[in-house]
Amino acid sequence: EIVLTQSPGTLSLSPGERATLSCRASQSVSGSYLAWYQQKPGQAPRLLIYGASSRATGIPDRFSGSGSGTDFTLTISRLEPEDFAVYYCQQYGSSFTFGPGTKVDI
Amino acid sequence: QVQLVQSGAEVKKPGSSVTVSCKTSGGTLDNYGVSWVRQAPGQGLEWMGGIVSIFGTTSDAQNFQDRVTITTDESTSTAYMELSSLTPEDTAVYYCAMGTRITMVRGISHYPFDYWGQGTLVTVSS
Repeated sequence: EIVLTQSPGTLSLSPGERATLSCRASQSVSGSYLAWYQQKPGQAPRLLIYGASSRATGIPDRFSGSGSGTDFTLTISRLEPEDFAVYYCQQYGSSFTFGPGTKVDI
Repeated sequence: QVQLVQSGAEVKKPGSSVTVSCKTSGGTLDNYGVSWVRQAPGQGLEWMGGIVSIFGTTSDAQNFQDRVTITTDESTSTAYMELSSLTPEDTAVYYCAMGTRITMVRGISHYPFDYWGQGTLVTVSS
């Protein structure tokens, strides 16, 4: 099973700042089958990025994904108030596993 | 626009089973992958298993292999997840999630989860 580690656990930032979230896999993620999800309290997760770098439908271009192999990054170029949430990475190259999440708060 | 509507909250006794349904609108199950994900209170996301009807493939996470059954009913565009031998540790919100961007490589399906149901709270308590 591929284990995903996310860092940092919590990221404290202000609106307008840049957020950089990391996801590291215990082994290479085949096909760059890596996704990022955003979850707000009381809501279901929402797909942001798939294939490591492709934005899902309707996702603003301030969200971008990069990386390959075992190291992946989600960048939010300028934080909006609605971006404060928990972010999960997921690999779907070998079965499915999620990382533990990074909380972005003010 | 695809929407997934799940069945309502459940309270179950330890040792019993629960079935959660997930009805789709705006899409057909037979072209998509459907997975089930749970989230215990205050915890992260845990994949339980999934099915890709068009390929006739199912897969389950090791943690749930003997306890989870995932099926679909194409006639009603509804997916089901049954979890047996419940314990209090199974108390969680259960989500169905659908993937429309399926790639099949060497018999294995790969898809991110484009759409999610609203979640169903299952409480296991004596």
